[in-house]
Amino acid sequence: KAGVTQTPRYLIKTRGQQVTLSCSPISGHRSVSWYQQTPGQGLQFLFEYFSETQRNKGNFPGRFSGRQFSNSRSEMNVSTLELGDSALYLCASSRSGTGTDTQYFGPGTRLTVL
Amino acid sequence: AQKITQTQPGMFVQEKEAVTLDCTYDTSDPSYGLFWYKQPSSGEMIFLIYQGSYDQQNATEGRYSLNFQKARKSANLVISASQLGDSAMYFCAMRERRNAGNMLTFGGGTRLMVKP
Repeated sequence: KAGVTQTPRYLIKTRGQQVTLSCSPISGHRSVSWYQQTPGQGLQFLFEYFSETQRNKGNFPGRFSGRQFSNSRSEMNVSTLELGDSALYLCASSRSGTGTDTQYFGPGTRLTVL
Repeated sequence: AQKITQTQPGMFVQEKEAVTLDCTYDTSDPSYGLFWYKQPSSGEMIFLIYQGSYDQQNATEGRYSLNFQKARKSANLVISASQLGDSAMYFCAMRERRNAGNMLTFGGGTRLMVKP
């Protein structure tokens, strides 16, 4: 069974640009969550999508947005990039996101903002 | 206040020895789940073990076990017979039922280094 895949794996952008990251969950998983990992702030929850609806949102500015498609694939978008957006962005999927459901993570997209 | 605290930024352990990684948590939600993940230098988070707040017994998964002390709000990870491949960052995380759906809160992590 294929794991969670994320594309691209590495990305370099400049301040002010926007970026779109993609995540394909494990087959059969309907919940997709996004996390940002930085050396200073650690791992922080961005948002979660379930059945194409945002179910939960972390404390991030509106520049960070996402969506989920009918096949459960998800994208996150960051507009007007800032230097502080440089981070490893991790996507995780699970069946339903409730009870004992476990999230499985992808390899991440490492974003560098210059 | 920190919801998940991992007090050991870095630890060394001799190969084949057991090691305990500490995790304390803070929640008023009676229903919650605790997770441990391993993150090698490649960056991918690997799920290790899960403990539910209502589970009576400590969780075990192969060489990993979770020492769950609910009254003390601690969920320490025990790795038996350490291997060189266990060298990685380890994160403790919590999901509270009142946060509908999937929202994990992570601790700061512990870097484990296994010496040959």
